[in-house]
Amino acid sequence: DGGITQSPKYLFRKEGQNVTLSCEQNLNHDAMYWYRQDPGQGLRLIYYSQIVNDFQKGDIAEGYSVSREKKESFPLTVTSAQKNPTAFYLCASSTGLAGRSETQYFGPGTRLLVL
Amino acid sequence: AQRVTQPEKLLSVFKGAPVELKCNYSYSGSPELFWYVQYSRQRLQLLLRHISRESIKGFTADLNKGETSFHLKKPFAQEEDSAMYYCALEGGQGAQKLVFGQGTRLTINP
Repeated sequence: DGGITQSPKYLFRKEGQNVTLSCEQNLNHDAMYWYRQDPGQGLRLIYYSQIVNDFQKGDIAEGYSVSREKKESFPLTVTSAQKNPTAFYLCASSTGLAGRSETQYFGPGTRLLVL
Repeated sequence: AQRVTQPEKLLSVFKGAPVELKCNYSYSGSPELFWYVQYSRQRLQLLLRHISRESIKGFTADLNKGETSFHLKKPFAQEEDSAMYYCALEGGQGAQKLVFGQGTRLTINP
């Protein structure tokens, strides 16, 4: 299970504050993803990156930002513009080589709560 | 629009009984479909994908393009099958962008 790590496990955000969730992988994967999980809604894609220094918006990117300066790291910032940030955030990675039928490997998740 | 629907939030069956978790999708092209599973206190992980036509832990899933379905089946449920199951669709836009269903929590009663 140590291939993808996320920190912290729990994160508290104050009103108007930006917070950053960490995602690191040592699987040498090119592609990385951020999902948001809300009760009864499954997972929704926030951002994804197929290669270093490149990333694309997913279905619910508003209020979030990412960077991909290193292959192994894909941090997610939840900005103050995200009005409903309370959720469980999952990071995933895949080789980026096998196309549409690839396996995505998931981290343990970060639960973000608003104070 | 691409959409995945899992109509059952909760499903409870007895050990040894057959189990079927339903998944319907909406996609105009040729879909790639997956089942992901999350056991208690474990990470979300791939269970199976339709392209492999494999049976994992006794589970199978057949893609039915006519009914736009990808139901997950197992003939004899075991207690260790209790978990949260997600159906997912890859819509073929150049990257592996998965669209997930809402999930079904399966409970196997002894």
